[in-house]
Amino acid sequence: AQTVTQSQPEMSVQEAETVTLSCTYDTSESDYYLFWYKQPPSRQMILVIRQEAYKQQNATENRFSVNFQKAAKSFSLKISDSQLGDAAMYFCASKTDSWGKLQFGAGTQVVVTP
Amino acid sequence: DSGVTQTPKHLITATGQRVTLRCSPRSGDLSVYWYQQSLDQGLQFLIQYYNGEERAKGNILERFSAQQFPDLHSELNLSSLELGDSALYFCASSLEGGLGADTQYFGPGTRLTVL
Repeated sequence: AQTVTQSQPEMSVQEAETVTLSCTYDTSESDYYLFWYKQPPSRQMILVIRQEAYKQQNATENRFSVNFQKAAKSFSLKISDSQLGDAAMYFCASKTDSWGKLQFGAGTQVVVTP
Repeated sequence: DSGVTQTPKHLITATGQRVTLRCSPRSGDLSVYWYQQSLDQGLQFLIQYYNGEERAKGNILERFSAQQFPDLHSELNLSSLELGDSALYFCASSLEGGLGADTQYFGPGTRLTVL
């Protein structure tokens, strides 16, 4: 079975600082996609960033970037210049099968302090 | 706003009852996914439809069923409800739904409380 593991239940960061969230995944497929979704208190699931496994270059979206280590099956998210609005639960997810369903990790709660 | 709508936002019902959750995908999206988010199980894939046809099933109970209609909206039916069915149910849609680059966009969810 495919699994996605987030080992940090909670991470705290000060405003304007940087925080890195860890994620490891397990798949035997060579073609797959990885995602980070953000879930603020409103409970809406918001896509933060996406990485295609065949691309060696790490994806970036403004203050959000990933460190994709394919051999290690690691996919970490770095949030730079943290803002109060970044406080949320962050889920790592993989898409590995032909139907496209997402497999989610348990989530990491990010707390941003002023 | 993701463009995916779900109704109702909240649903409170009793054990043994049956409820229907409704989802309208983004304009142009053919694939609909249903996910369940609960405290003990986390976010789990339930079922996927593509252009009216069931494509994939996940950890969906036999008491649960779904369908996608010709106008592409989808309904998730939950019957013989138990306390453990209390959860947030998400619908997500994507253009095609395969192992491609298209992204799944999530609706706001339906919060189901079974008393």
